[in-house]
Amino acid sequence: SQQGEEDPQALSIQEGENATMNCSYKTSINNLQWYRQNSGRGLVHLILIRSNEREKHSGRLRVTLDTSKKSSSLLITASRAADTASYFCATDGYGGATNKLIFGTGTLLAVQP
Amino acid sequence: GAVVSQHPSRVICKSGTSVKIECRSLDFQATTMFWYRQFPKQSLMLMATSNEGSKATYEQGVEKDKFLINHASLTLSTLTVTSAHPEDSSFYICSGEQANYEKLFFGSGTQLSVL
Repeated sequence: SQQGEEDPQALSIQEGENATMNCSYKTSINNLQWYRQNSGRGLVHLILIRSNEREKHSGRLRVTLDTSKKSSSLLITASRAADTASYFCATDGYGGATNKLIFGTGTLLAVQP
Repeated sequence: GAVVSQHPSRVICKSGTSVKIECRSLDFQATTMFWYRQFPKQSLMLMATSNEGSKATYEQGVEKDKFLINHASLTLSTLTVTSAHPEDSSFYICSGEQANYEKLFFGSGTQLSVL
């Protein structure tokens, strides 16, 4: 399977704490994206980082990318209860078709108020 | 921002019936539509890729005669689950690709339950 791996599978933290999720992938990529999914809903795009970038910020989100290790991390700072959701990384690993994405296994984040 | 409208959001059907799921891009032209399925607490698995006006490309292991995909226009793609069985029960999600955009726009998903 080409599917990426994410860890942890589940993460429970208190409001105000930071949450870090990690993603590993198997193929070379053009970019890596992070998505959020609330239970039973579609996906919302959070951030995209290109293969020549090492770090990117968007509001309370910080993403890093290490192409030598084929890994990425998503940091959510000062978490809120509304951040409770599943988070998926996705790579364009199908040989250059940029938007044909391979999703990771996901991290279920629970932020306790 | 760009929106993909997916309907129905939930459908319950009897085994052996066919179910059609629609995805419409509301304010952009989706040159390509991707269809995914997701089992409970699992990730999204790509089923097929459809381009407007041409036959869909199916991923390995996905039966094209069972999951019929039509992408008749740049704003509408449909997935029909034919002769549905309980094992087809899943969450189906579409996503549209807009030309020259790096990210996808996802529908809100359809929960299919086959009794």
